[in-house]
Amino acid sequence: GNSVTQMEGPVTLSEEAFLTINCTYTATGYPSLFWYVQYPGEGLQLLLKATKADDKGSNKGFEATYRKETTSFHLEKGSVQVSDSAVYFCALSVSNQGGKLIFGQGTELSVKP
Amino acid sequence: DTGVSQDPRHKITKRGQNVTFRCDPISEHNRLYWYRQTLGQGPEFLTYFQNEAQLEKSRLLSDRFSAERPKGSFSTLEIQRTEQGDSAMYLCASLMRGADRNEQFFGPGTRLTVL
Repeated sequence: GNSVTQMEGPVTLSEEAFLTINCTYTATGYPSLFWYVQYPGEGLQLLLKATKADDKGSNKGFEATYRKETTSFHLEKGSVQVSDSAVYFCALSVSNQGGKLIFGQGTELSVKP
Repeated sequence: DTGVSQDPRHKITKRGQNVTFRCDPISEHNRLYWYRQTLGQGPEFLTYFQNEAQLEKSRLLSDRFSAERPKGSFSTLEIQRTEQGDSAMYLCASLMRGADRNEQFFGPGTRLTVL
């Protein structure tokens, strides 16, 4: 079956630190990979996506590269800000399986000034 | 276009009661998804519609749960004879199948508490 595993939180960093949140997946078929973010009190928002191997998704200084050989899609940011404090979810979908999203358990990030 | 909306935002009910939630997707989106999210976990897929047709139901969707999308517009999710284990955030998302971005847009969710 399809599944997503991401590193457990909470992750606490100081402002301007480097961020990595690990995400690995198993999938039948050819998945698209996503990172969603949930800010406090708000709904899920798409942060970035990649649809095929070696694609790099990027947005708001965050990046993630679709690595088929290691079945990974790690989220990185070079310099985090307090405003990046949120819960981050890695997810996959397989288009011939209805496009439903399979999520990891989420990683809470707290950035201190 | 104001995005995906859900109503109510919060619902508190007693065990054994029935509840119904509504989701209004983005108007031109033909796919609509329901997810359930419990505390500290990622959302779990429940069911989805393409237009008015319900195309898939998760094993999580017991026979106490039913969902409809009449006329392919808004959708309702009903839970009969609620149990404490049904307490969760219920999320709705919509998508325009075939759109380049293939992005699901999420509503704010309905938080259900079963006492």
